[in-house]
Amino acid sequence: AQRVTQPEKLLSVFKGAPVELKCNYSYSGSPELFWYVQYSRQRLQLLLRHISRESIKGFTADLNKGETSFHLKKPFAQEEDSAMYYCALRSSQGAQKLVFGQGTRLTINP
Amino acid sequence: DAGVTQSPTHLIKTRGQQVTLRCSPKSGHDTVSWYQQALGQGPQFIFQYYEEEERQRGNFPDRFSGHQFPNYSSELNVNALLLGDSALYLCASSPRLAGWSGELFFGEGSRLTVL
Repeated sequence: AQRVTQPEKLLSVFKGAPVELKCNYSYSGSPELFWYVQYSRQRLQLLLRHISRESIKGFTADLNKGETSFHLKKPFAQEEDSAMYYCALRSSQGAQKLVFGQGTRLTINP
Repeated sequence: DAGVTQSPTHLIKTRGQQVTLRCSPKSGHDTVSWYQQALGQGPQFIFQYYEEEERQRGNFPDRFSGHQFPNYSSELNVNALLLGDSALYLCASSPRLAGWSGELFFGEGSRLTVL
């Protein structure tokens, strides 16, 4: 079964500290993984996708197939990073369907 | 471009009633997906419409049905409402591309409360 697990519902760090939001997945095949973010009073939006190997707003995420993980990292947190973060898995090749984790609320303390 | 628009934003129904939620996709998008987001949970896929047909369906009962119109807008209908149907219903649109990037454009959602 396809599943995405985000073990932390809440994560609080101080400004300037490193951030790591954990994501583990279950998928029999070659996974495509994404991080979506929802800032306060804004819509859910794509942050980054593993296939692009990009850094967005200082965030990166590496797909580790051995550990079936796709953790989101940022070396120095900023207050504007406070948001709800969702890890998502594309359900199958050719499908436009995402399986989401339950989300992690990140709070950056000043 | 207003992006994905949904209506109504909030509504309250009682058990057994029926509800219709509406969605207009982002300009240039022809594929509409519906997600249910219960409190404290991530969005859960209900179904997807393209070319006015249901193309994929998640693990939801037949009480959940939908429609897509020629202008790509879509409706989600839920019959015989249960208390457990209380949730935020999100509409997401995307272009039907062979190399889809994985980006869904979400609306602000319709919050349904069933009493």
